[in-house]
Amino acid sequence: GAVVSQHPSRVICKSGTSVKIECRSLDFQATTMFWYRQFPKKSLMLMATSNEGSKATYEQGVEKDKFLINHASLTLSTLTVTSAHPEDSSFYICSASSVAGPDTQYFGPGTRLTVL
Amino acid sequence: GENVEQHPSTLSVQEGDSAVIKCTYSDSASNYFPWYKQELGKGPQLIIDIRSNVGEKKDQRIAVTLNKTAKHFSLHITETQPEDSAVYFCAASRYGGSQGNLIFGKGTKLSVKP
Repeated sequence: GAVVSQHPSRVICKSGTSVKIECRSLDFQATTMFWYRQFPKKSLMLMATSNEGSKATYEQGVEKDKFLINHASLTLSTLTVTSAHPEDSSFYICSASSVAGPDTQYFGPGTRLTVL
Repeated sequence: GENVEQHPSTLSVQEGDSAVIKCTYSDSASNYFPWYKQELGKGPQLIIDIRSNVGEKKDQRIAVTLNKTAKHFSLHITETQPEDSAVYFCAASRYGGSQGNLIFGKGTKLSVKP
């Protein structure tokens, strides 16, 4: 089956620093990648959708200058949390899909971000 | 926009019993309804999905039913096992699975007691 990986799995950083999270599709070309945020014991909220080679489309209320998304290749998307603050602490999950594959999204294992 | 309600929020069953989780959606244009299982500290794993042109789908111990008229869909797990314990999320999308914005329910924590 389709495999999506994320790196790192956990990251702790100081307030004010920037953190980059990678999402990779290991065995298929992901034409679309999605970034979700999940608070403890809560549901997943879509942050943005990115298509390879295009600018990401952000959901209402998500600051695009704070959450920078790059989808430069068909197997890699990155989410950079700039000038992180404690309220940015959360579980960030990506998913990927392909126009050439099954009509579904495959989720990564998530990245736990803790901002001190 | 779409709103997905999921019930119950917690469910505890004895091993071997059946478990049923129900979701309702508001957007009549939604056409894709997946169910995900999420274990602690991990990403969601797709366990079954159904599309609007089908009323029921089954995969071994797992089945999903869809009632488009009432706008609700349900997950049925039979012969539950302790390893079924996890949080289950339903979702809905009007743009299919691969290109659409999945709107998730709030999740159901299922506990299967040995």
